[in-house]
Amino acid sequence: GEDVEQSLFLSVREGDSSVINCTYTDSSSTYLYWYKQEPGAGLQLLTYIFSNMDMKQDQRLTVLLNKKDKHLSLRIADTQTGDSAIYFCAEGGGKLIFGQGTELSVKP
Amino acid sequence: DSGVTQTPKHLITATGQRVTLRCSPRSGDLSVYWYQQSLDQGLQFLIQYYNGEERAKGNILERFSAQQFPDLHSELNLSSLELGDSALYFCASSVAGDGTEAFFGQGTRLTVV
Repeated sequence: GEDVEQSLFLSVREGDSSVINCTYTDSSSTYLYWYKQEPGAGLQLLTYIFSNMDMKQDQRLTVLLNKKDKHLSLRIADTQTGDSAIYFCAEGGGKLIFGQGTELSVKP
Repeated sequence: DSGVTQTPKHLITATGQRVTLRCSPRSGDLSVYWYQQSLDQGLQFLIQYYNGEERAKGNILERFSAQQFPDLHSELNLSSLELGDSALYFCASSVAGDGTEAFFGQGTRLTVV
């Protein structure tokens, strides 16, 4: 069945790069997404990648997709304290299947 | 601000009651999705409507129902509420029915006591 897995926690120092990883099972997904959720807030769409792409860069964000291994990653360059949040990986078209979320903690 | 509006932001109600959650999609978006976020289940897809018609159904209980009106706003009705229904309910909208660039509202936090 459809499943998306993420590690639950990541802690980095301000200014370092953060890499959040995700594995998924549905190889038919057309798009893969990264969402950010800050405390008490909704889900903010950060970026998404089309399944026939290997990489997408958007300012400080880089998404890498390894379709063979069904592995998706989100790299945040020069991580700031304002990046502290929960990051969700999702796959699907129409209904989205979300991972459990990775809580990113950025220490000054 | 995503442009998706959900009301109310908070709702406290008793077991056995019925509530209605409302969602106004972004201007121009035809598709509306409902999700439930709870600590034990995470984010679960409930149901999708596209231009007034049900498009996809997920883990939605029979006690729950939804509809999308001609003006494209949507309502999620939850009845015979149980303590376990306490969760954050999100609405999302997108232009197309394939979920591309789905934007989420701030959610309605439902507490059943």
